[in-house]
Amino acid sequence: QVLLVQSGAELAKPGASVRISCKASGYSFSSYGIHWVRQAPGHTLEWMGWINAGHGNTKYSQKFQGRIAITRDTSANTAYMELSSLRSEDTAVYYCARRAVTTLDFWGQGTLVSVSS
Amino acid sequence: DVVMTQSPDSLAVSLGERATINCKSSQSLFDTAYNKNYFAWYQQKSGQPPKLLIYWASTRNSGVPDRFSGSGSGTDFTLTISSLQAEDVAVYYCQQYFGTPYTFGQGTKLELK
Repeated sequence: QVLLVQSGAELAKPGASVRISCKASGYSFSSYGIHWVRQAPGHTLEWMGWINAGHGNTKYSQKFQGRIAITRDTSANTAYMELSSLRSEDTAVYYCARRAVTTLDFWGQGTLVSVSS
Repeated sequence: DVVMTQSPDSLAVSLGERATINCKSSQSLFDTAYNKNYFAWYQQKSGQPPKLLIYWASTRNSGVPDRFSGSGSGTDFTLTISSLQAEDVAVYYCQQYFGTPYTFGQGTKLELK
């Protein structure tokens, strides 16, 4: 079955960076895109960007341009999202999700990132 | 960016009754070339990731009970739960995938009356 397993919770200081991994199994990793979506406490879902796992092409939300990098390692069936220059407003649960022909059909379990001094 | 606006923000429905959630987009999500609406509904239970319920505005995802149905086209969409079950208590989000950035509605909290 399709599974996306994310790395564990992170505690970071303001100005630091965080890198979250998303390991895929149960399907052909390079045939789908991986999207990243975050959810601040009590808030709605916010799309951050995506990577074509086959070609490696990326597209980011304007909001995060310059602070976000999404990469992948096809040999490990894993995608990564790095967010830099962290601030308190970046405290959120971060999700990876597979993009099928339709939309985001399978999601990781989420990774809590807490930004605090 | 496409703005997605859901109504109501919260809803309390009795077991076995119908629940209806609406979503309006700031621009049409209908692609005439493919004759499809790039619109989806998700269900999110407390402490869990979102679960895809409906895509292309009206197609149920695999394993989703048939009491869930989606309708609408263009800018106005509706999610209907025909007979509410206890396990349907959750927050429901609409989403457009017509273009990036994908955007989501603010969510509708569905509770039992």
